[in-house]
Amino acid sequence: DAGVIQSPRHEVTEMGQEVTLRCKPISGHNSLFWYRQTMMRGLELLIYFNNNVPIDDSGMPEDRFSAKMPNASFSTLKIQPSEPRDSAVYFCASRDPSGGAEDKNIQYFGAGTRLSVL
Amino acid sequence: RKEVEQDPGPFNVPEGATVAFNCTYSNSASQSFFWYRQDCRKEPKLLMSVYSSGNEDGRFTAQLNRASQYISLLIRDSKLSDSATYLCVVNIPKWGSARQLTFGSGTQLTVLP
Repeated sequence: DAGVIQSPRHEVTEMGQEVTLRCKPISGHNSLFWYRQTMMRGLELLIYFNNNVPIDDSGMPEDRFSAKMPNASFSTLKIQPSEPRDSAVYFCASRDPSGGAEDKNIQYFGAGTRLSVL
Repeated sequence: RKEVEQDPGPFNVPEGATVAFNCTYSNSASQSFFWYRQDCRKEPKLLMSVYSSGNEDGRFTAQLNRASQYISLLIRDSKLSDSATYLCVVNIPKWGSARQLTFGSGTQLTVLP
């Protein structure tokens, strides 16, 4: 199994530019999560999807951020326009719906996209 | 109060030492508990689930105290390769969903030769 795949691994852009991050979840996983990690705020949940439907986007910082999941194998997180304070590592994770009662919420993370907005 | 609180660390211990991390969570309705490990500039990876009865995986022992809303991780005979940040992770039911996980801020461990 290839695991959760994110692209690009690194992105450097200038303030005001549009940034699109991509994620392919593990096949068979029905929930997908986007996180942002910074030194100051740690790991924060931005949005999550269940069966391709956005369930909770209360963590999305503002209208500049949007996320889509057009099918079970692909999701995007878009920032438009980007700002220097958006610089962070963005992780995508997917959840295995199988497993026992205590394991059913395990999430598997991609390698992340390190975003720098200059 | 934070939803998940961990020892601030950092912990610097010699090889072979035993080290314990603690974590408290605020929502008594939480059902799933985990310890994740994150190496520098890498993604978080599941270390172990924490079961109600407590569980052990080699040198690692996890315990859960629901009454006190407290989770612990014990590492015995620590190795240099154990150096990482350890994240306490709890599902915090929101909007009727139990799928979301809330991550503690992490405790940094450095095992010294």
